[in-house]
Amino acid sequence: ETGVTQTPRHLVMGMTNKKSLKCEQHLGHNAMYWYKQSAKKPLELMFVYSLEERVENNSVPSRFSPECPNSSHLFLHLHTLQPEDSALYLCASSLTTSGGTDTQYFGPGTRLTVL
Amino acid sequence: AQSVAQPEDQVNVAEGNPLTVKCTYSVSGNPYLFWYVQYPNRGLQFLLKYITGDNLVKGSYGFEAEFNKSQTSFHLKKPSALVSDSALYFCAVRDRRGGTASKLTFGTGTRLQVTL
Repeated sequence: ETGVTQTPRHLVMGMTNKKSLKCEQHLGHNAMYWYKQSAKKPLELMFVYSLEERVENNSVPSRFSPECPNSSHLFLHLHTLQPEDSALYLCASSLTTSGGTDTQYFGPGTRLTVL
Repeated sequence: AQSVAQPEDQVNVAEGNPLTVKCTYSVSGNPYLFWYVQYPNRGLQFLLKYITGDNLVKGSYGFEAEFNKSQTSFHLKKPSALVSDSALYFCAVRDRRGGTASKLTFGTGTRLQVTL
């Protein structure tokens, strides 16, 4: 699990705040992902990056803004969130985005609460 | 579109008994199949995956899973459950065709509760 780290682990923010989530992978992978995990729902893929280039954006509201400055780091910038955005946000990485037999490795997540 | 069904929200097992966590899938092509486990306040940890070949796949912590193409299932099993196995288990599928089908699709998860 130490291959992918996320900070902070917990975040409480108001609807007018701006905050950022950080993810770092130490696995030498070229692909990174943001997922949203809500109770009793399947994981929702939010963004996919391959070699710092965004390759997928699954109709995520613009109040979520990803940034991938290099293949080891991924950020999720948050602003003017809604209470329904409260969830566990998971970062993952894999060798490539081509799928196949690639395994995605997950970080511990950031538990976000929007008041 | 691909999908995964985990029909049981929770599975209760006594320690020492065998356990099964069920998963069925739907893909247009042939699948790659994965199992992940999530302990409280932790991210998802990879357990095992089916690629090809032997239908019985062995993974971490004594878990194994059996691929059944005719029943489109990939049930997770362990011969003897431990209390420490109590966690949330996710099945995931990916279509072998790649491209937009290369997305990993997860089920809703099954909570495993192992009691003494």
